[in-house]
Amino acid sequence: DIQMTQSPSSLFASVGDRVTITCRASQSIGHLLSWYQQKSGQVPKLLIEDASSLQSGVPLRFHGSGSGAEFTLTISSLQPADFATYFCQQTYSTPLTFGPGTTLYIK
Amino acid sequence: QVTLRESGPALVKPTQTLTLTCTFSGFSLNNNGMCVTWIRQPPGKALEWLALIDWDDDKYFSSSLRTRLTISKDTSKNQVVLTMTNMDPADTATYFCARTPKYTSSWSGIDSWGQGTLVTVSS
Repeated sequence: DIQMTQSPSSLFASVGDRVTITCRASQSIGHLLSWYQQKSGQVPKLLIEDASSLQSGVPLRFHGSGSGAEFTLTISSLQPADFATYFCQQTYSTPLTFGPGTTLYIK
Repeated sequence: QVTLRESGPALVKPTQTLTLTCTFSGFSLNNNGMCVTWIRQPPGKALEWLALIDWDDDKYFSSSLRTRLTISKDTSKNQVVLTMTNMDPADTATYFCARTPKYTSSWSGIDSWGQGTLVTVSS
C-alpha cells in the first residue's frame, strides 16, 4: 500500500496569510493526487485533483503543485472560510489512501 | 445532479455484521468509468478508504480490512452494499459512500459524497 503523510498536522495562521501544506507519498504516484477540504461537521469537498487541477467553483487562491512523491497545497491569502482540515489522497493505485490531515486554525 | 445517501443501523453490537446501503442518483454504475467508494471517519480522526466497486463489477479493498469487507452493486436499484463483519468498538465511525470516476486509466478524485452515517459499535 502507498502511505501518505502530511505536514504540518496543524497550523495556526491569520486571515490574509499565505500557507502551504505538504503531502508526501511513500512511492512515486505521478500526478495522481487529490486535495479535499473538510469543515467541522461537514462532508469533505474536492478542491484539486491530478495534483493541480482546480475543481470548478474553487477559489483561485487555492493552488496545488507537485509530482512524483511530494505535493503542496498553497492558499495564497487565507479567508475566514478556509479554516478547516485538509486531506490529500493518492489516486494512483488501490487502496486509494488518504493522508492524516492538516487542520488550519485561526491564530 | 449526483446524490448519494447512506443507510443502515446507527448501533451495532461487537462481533455483529454491519450492512450499509448506498443509494445514488444522477449517474449509473452501468456506465464506463463510474465507481462507488466507501470511506469512513472515526470521530475527530482522519478519513480511511475502505472499498470500491466499479462499473465492470471489479472490487478493491483496504488491505487491513480486506478479510472483513464485501461490496456489491445492484444497478437496477442504483445501490451499492457494503458489509463489514466482526464489528468492534474501534469501527465506530461515520461511514460515507461517494462517487469516484475513472475516466481514463486512473481514478479521479472523489467528486460527490453522501452525507455519511454514524455507526456506533457498543454492547
